[in-house]
Amino acid sequence: DVKVTQSSRYLVKRTGEKVFLECVQDMDHENMFWYRQDPGLGLRLIYFSYDVKMKEKGDIPEGYSVSREKKERFSLILESASTNQTSMYLCASSLEARLGGYTFGSGTRLTVV
Amino acid sequence: GENVEQHPSTLSVQEGDSAVIKCTYSDSASNYFPWYKQELGKRPQLIIDIRSNVGEKKDQRIAVTLNKTAKHFSLHITETQPEDSAVYFCAASGGANSKLTFGKGITLSVRP
Repeated sequence: DVKVTQSSRYLVKRTGEKVFLECVQDMDHENMFWYRQDPGLGLRLIYFSYDVKMKEKGDIPEGYSVSREKKERFSLILESASTNQTSMYLCASSLEARLGGYTFGSGTRLTVV
Repeated sequence: GENVEQHPSTLSVQEGDSAVIKCTYSDSASNYFPWYKQELGKRPQLIIDIRSNVGEKKDQRIAVTLNKTAKHFSLHITETQPEDSAVYFCAASGGANSKLTFGKGITLSVRP
């Protein structure tokens, strides 16, 4: 059973802090994704990666960056946290979407105060 | 890029009735259409998917249909039960990458 583990379930940070959200998958998936989930807006793609050290911007990359130094780990970085980044952050991994879709992590509820 | 629309945003049905959730997509190159169910406080989980070379797929009480000409696909749940209450997301992907574009989700409530 594929496991996608996000390091924190709940996180509270102050405005201006640098925030790291970690995601680890254990099934040797090439593809990893970061989404944020907000009421009424669904799942919006922030960044994704198809390989180690590779990254591509999604639909809402502003204010975020990512790091993928190892195949199993994909980190989302909030360079300077702001209150409008308060959200649920979901990590996902996949072989290829057409082979079976994503497996999501449990999510990190980030509150920026 | 791909745009996936999902309407309405909420749906309420009586237990035992059927529920149908529809999505439309914009990119005719999309060829993979999964549906995810997210229960309150939990992660989205894949419940069924369909590829563009198939018109319909069933798995027990759920089914998905695809109309490529009209660029829409639908989730059908029969004999609904209270545990079917959740947010349902449709998604689409295709072309050279596996990036999924999601709809905004629909909250299904099954009334006992």
